[in-house]
Amino acid sequence: DVKVTQSSRYLVKRTGEKVFLECVQDMDHENMFWYRQDPGLGLRLIYFSYDVKMKEKGDIPEGYSVSREKKERFSLILESASTNQTSMYLCASSLNPQGASGAFFGQGTRLTVV
Amino acid sequence: KNEVEQSPQNLTAQEGEFITINCSYSVGISALHWLQQHPGGGIVSLFMLSSGKKKHGRLIATINIQEKHSSLHITASHPRDSAVYICAVGDMDSNYQLIWGAGTKLIIKP
Repeated sequence: DVKVTQSSRYLVKRTGEKVFLECVQDMDHENMFWYRQDPGLGLRLIYFSYDVKMKEKGDIPEGYSVSREKKERFSLILESASTNQTSMYLCASSLNPQGASGAFFGQGTRLTVV
Repeated sequence: KNEVEQSPQNLTAQEGEFITINCSYSVGISALHWLQQHPGGGIVSLFMLSSGKKKHGRLIATINIQEKHSSLHITASHPRDSAVYICAVGDMDSNYQLIWGAGTKLIIKP
């Protein structure tokens, strides 16, 4: 019954590495989102996509890029990982472009950059 | 100042107690959302409100648009209600942006 799947639950990477976080949804949603979640700050939107090959910057896109080659898959890329990118990363998909309502979230990837 | 403020940040209560979590916001909104995040990370959407009150099981959500305030209530709380409860508002001026509260961590003790 899993609807949004993130490729890893826990990930440890070294500073400077290129990191790929993968997210796949099986609900044919057009809208997909990448958030990071840090204690006391709530969810912050990194990037979102409202269609294949379309992407929009969120609140904190610096240091990240995304790829949406297929409707079901939305990838987050850390071009050169840094320690301040240690965080919980959450992927979501929804019919509603604002997300949240009717949104489905993945289980999250806890990334540690050492 | 954050545009969405939740209170309290942390709440510990005994099983059976009536729980209230508050959310205040300062922007014009299209809708307000309450979500639940269990330990381990998974997030579930609970309610979307644009006016009035909604109820689902032991959960009740209310919103006062004039006062820019919403509350989430849990009746007859149970340890399985232990989670982080998150308020998010849809920004009226943006088709895509949600503004998120920092969350309220609720622990219900048996």
